[in-house]
Amino acid sequence: GQQVMQIPQYQHVQEGEDFTTYCNSSTTLSNIQWYKQRPGGHPVFLIQLVKSGEVKKQKRLTFQFGEAKKNSSLHITATQTTDVGTYFCAGKETSGSRLTFGEGTQLTVNP
Amino acid sequence: EAGVAQSPRYKIIEKRQSVAFWCNPISGHATLYWYQQILGQGPKLLIQFQNNGVVDDSQLPKDRFSAERLKGVDSTLKIQPAKLEDSAVYLCASSLGGNSYEQYFGPGTRLTVT
Repeated sequence: GQQVMQIPQYQHVQEGEDFTTYCNSSTTLSNIQWYKQRPGGHPVFLIQLVKSGEVKKQKRLTFQFGEAKKNSSLHITATQTTDVGTYFCAGKETSGSRLTFGEGTQLTVNP
Repeated sequence: EAGVAQSPRYKIIEKRQSVAFWCNPISGHATLYWYQQILGQGPKLLIQFQNNGVVDDSQLPKDRFSAERLKGVDSTLKIQPAKLEDSAVYLCASSLGGNSYEQYFGPGTRLTVT
């Protein structure tokens, strides 16, 4: 079945440093979504990417979808303590209906 | 707009007991999902409903788990009998349509099986 892998599993940064998490799928995706889960909270939708090579920005967050639609990345510029949480990618296969979540990247930010 | 409601928020049971979780999605959302999230892992889809029909239950352990959404609105997920490995957070989510729409998650039910 489809596998969605994320690296790194954990990332510790100093406030102000940049952060990137990578998502790779074993199969071609029709779309990919990104979610953020704060400690003790539930996943909250951030963005959806659909087109090959698509790049979207939300303030300090930049999301990319690979040309082959099998990988994606989330980059945060100048992290803040409010960025703390686990970031999940979730991909939908072109041939399927299920959204498969990655294992997430847990970000901690030291003030 | 009210969010996705779930109850109970916490539940502790002994193995071999049964337990039920309830979810009320956002009004007007046709698609409802139940996920299992084990500590340190991503959410794993158990079952997806479109209105009151099942779209995907391929990852639902049907020998012990069951779910229903009889009137196409709220839903219940049941585990009978529970095993130790069922300890997890059970998340309900809803969306306007299928998997090309953003999903709105409820607060989850934290289940501990002792």
